Amino acid sequence: DGGITQSPKYLFRKEGQNVTLSCEQNLNHDAMYWYRQDPGQGLRLIYYSQIVNDFQKGDIAEGYSVSREKKESFPLTVTSAQKNPTAFYLCASSIDRPRTGNQPQHFGDGTRLSIL
Amino acid sequence: GEDVEQSLFLSVREGDSSVINCTYTDSSSTYLYWYKQEPGAGLQLLTYIFSNMDMKQDQRLTVLLNKKDKHLSLRIADTQTGDSAIYFCAAPDTGRRALTFGSGTRLQVQP
Repeated sequence: DGGITQSPKYLFRKEGQNVTLSCEQNLNHDAMYWYRQDPGQGLRLIYYSQIVNDFQKGDIAEGYSVSREKKESFPLTVTSAQKNPTAFYLCASSIDRPRTGNQPQHFGDGTRLSIL
Repeated sequence: GEDVEQSLFLSVREGDSSVINCTYTDSSSTYLYWYKQEPGAGLQLLTYIFSNMDMKQDQRLTVLLNKKDKHLSLRIADTQTGDSAIYFCAAPDTGRRALTFGSGTRLQVQP
């Protein structure tokens, strides 16, 4: 079954610690995205990548870093510089169809990050 | 960039119709999407509409698009308790080939 796998489902971070959230897809999608969701709020874009070895900052990239060394994988690191990391993190992927514009995003089940 | 707005909350009785509204700003948007999020889960794509259509029906779901007013709505017929969730409208941010999401409408279905 094709899909997007995020792990872990729950993650706890200590002060001053970096943590990495995993996102893997086997849909052969070109583009991948990371969003942050706070309670009662919509999704805010952290980083996105349209192609391997390339990625762009979204609206709230400060305190986060990503890599895209493989098409299937787009890990997100929450660094100690992110002072308020408690949130629900969602990874998504899509086919890149700039000609038709129909590129719905498919989502993983999310990782809930909390501060210890 | 694109800006997408939705009302935050809707409460209906089981069996009634629900209508969730959304407005967007970028008139060049080609496809517009509706997603559903159940508690503690990711977003599930419900349906989408192409901008040259006024309406799209898919079983209990009807999407209406008023392109002139940049207004999108999702109607759920015969709403069930299992429809209780947060519904997100999304439109393409063509400048960066990503989607911009509204803040989500929480639908509460009373038995």
